[in-house]
Amino acid sequence: DGGITQSPKYLFRKEGQNVTLSCEQNLNHDAMYWYRQDPGQGLRLIYYSQIVNDFQKGDIAEGYSVSREKKESFPLTVTSAQKNPTAFYLCASSIGDRYNQPQHFGDGTRLSIL
Amino acid sequence: RKEVEQDPGPFNVPEGATVAFNCTYSNSASQSFFWYRQDCRKEPKLLMSVYSSGNEDGRFTAQLNRASQYISLLIRDSKLSDSATYLCVVNIAGSNYQLIWGAGTKLIIKP
Repeated sequence: DGGITQSPKYLFRKEGQNVTLSCEQNLNHDAMYWYRQDPGQGLRLIYYSQIVNDFQKGDIAEGYSVSREKKESFPLTVTSAQKNPTAFYLCASSIGDRYNQPQHFGDGTRLSIL
Repeated sequence: RKEVEQDPGPFNVPEGATVAFNCTYSNSASQSFFWYRQDCRKEPKLLMSVYSSGNEDGRFTAQLNRASQYISLLIRDSKLSDSATYLCVVNIAGSNYQLIWGAGTKLIIKP
């Protein structure tokens, strides 16, 4: 089955620790995205990548980093500089190169502070 | 003014009823519009794209009003399984990639 796989489903971070969230897709989509969702709020874009070896900051990139070395993979690192990392993190992908192309999501990672 | 605004609800609706909600957006140059549904503690799932002429998918109808800058979603013959939060999504004008997400409208269908 084609889809987007995020892991782990739940993650706990200690103070001062960097953690990496995995996102893999086998939809052959060029574009990939990372969002953060906090209770009662809309999704906010952290980073996105239009193509391999390229990525752009979204609205709330501070304290996060990404890489896009393979088309299928777009891992997100939550660094110790992100002071309020507790949230629901969602990875998405899309064809991306034209209007009205929807984004499709993995089932998310919930990150909490220990 | 928020770029995408939705009534948070909840809308409490009896099973079998028709319910509609709107979403307003601020940038008249936006070109991509979507409705997603999100169940509690789950990822958003695409419900339907919204086209200029309006479109229907079974019990769901979406409309776009460019003059007044809103999109609407109508659900007919509502089912218990329609209970969810409905997210309105609009692209940032000029971008195929960046979307603005509303905070959602919560719908509760009661038996």
